[in-house]
Amino acid sequence: GENVEQHPSTLSVQEGDSAVIKCTYSDSASNYFPWYKQELGKGPQLIIDIRSNVGEKKDQRIAVTLNKTAKHFSLHITETQPEDSAVYFCAAYAGNMLTFGGGTRLMVKP
Amino acid sequence: DTAVSQTPKYLVTQMGNDKSIKCEQNLGHDTMYWYKQDSKKFLKIMFSYNNKELIINETVPNRFSPKSPDKAHLNLHINSLELGDSAVYFCASSQDKGKTQYFGPGTRLLVL
Repeated sequence: GENVEQHPSTLSVQEGDSAVIKCTYSDSASNYFPWYKQELGKGPQLIIDIRSNVGEKKDQRIAVTLNKTAKHFSLHITETQPEDSAVYFCAAYAGNMLTFGGGTRLMVKP
Repeated sequence: DTAVSQTPKYLVTQMGNDKSIKCEQNLGHDTMYWYKQDSKKFLKIMFSYNNKELIINETVPNRFSPKSPDKAHLNLHINSLELGDSAVYFCASSQDKGKTQYFGPGTRLLVL
């Protein structure tokens, strides 16, 4: 089955700096890669996603890149704000199933 | 107007008891899921239903039984609760298989 590795597990940045979270996946059949943000006590919320026919996608301060050859994808957050502090999950979809990475706890210090 | 709702939000119970968690989505989606999130925040799929038909059952003990009375509901019944069942359980739904999944707020289960 699919295996998704996510790094780093924790990330601390200063407000205004950029944050990058990286994921690798194992199943070359994976074709959909969403990113979720989970705030304390809440369910995961989709923030951005990318499909395998696209290399990059941007939505305001958030961007995702996908390298299908290397089987890795990354989340980039620019101009971080304290409200960006949360746990972020990457995921890969293959075989009717979404497999999640282990999560990254992002802390943005004011 | 909550898209995916779960009840209860918190559930504290004794080992050996039987309990149910309910999930409802008002998005008109065809596919629903149950996930378990452990204390280390790891999210793992348990079950998936598409048009009331079970399509994923990921090595979950038989004590867990999902039931989908209609496309908008997917309930989770757990028999003979064990300490290791303590976790946060999330329901999710998507328009179809492979589409964006929307998560509920979670049910925090604590087995004593």
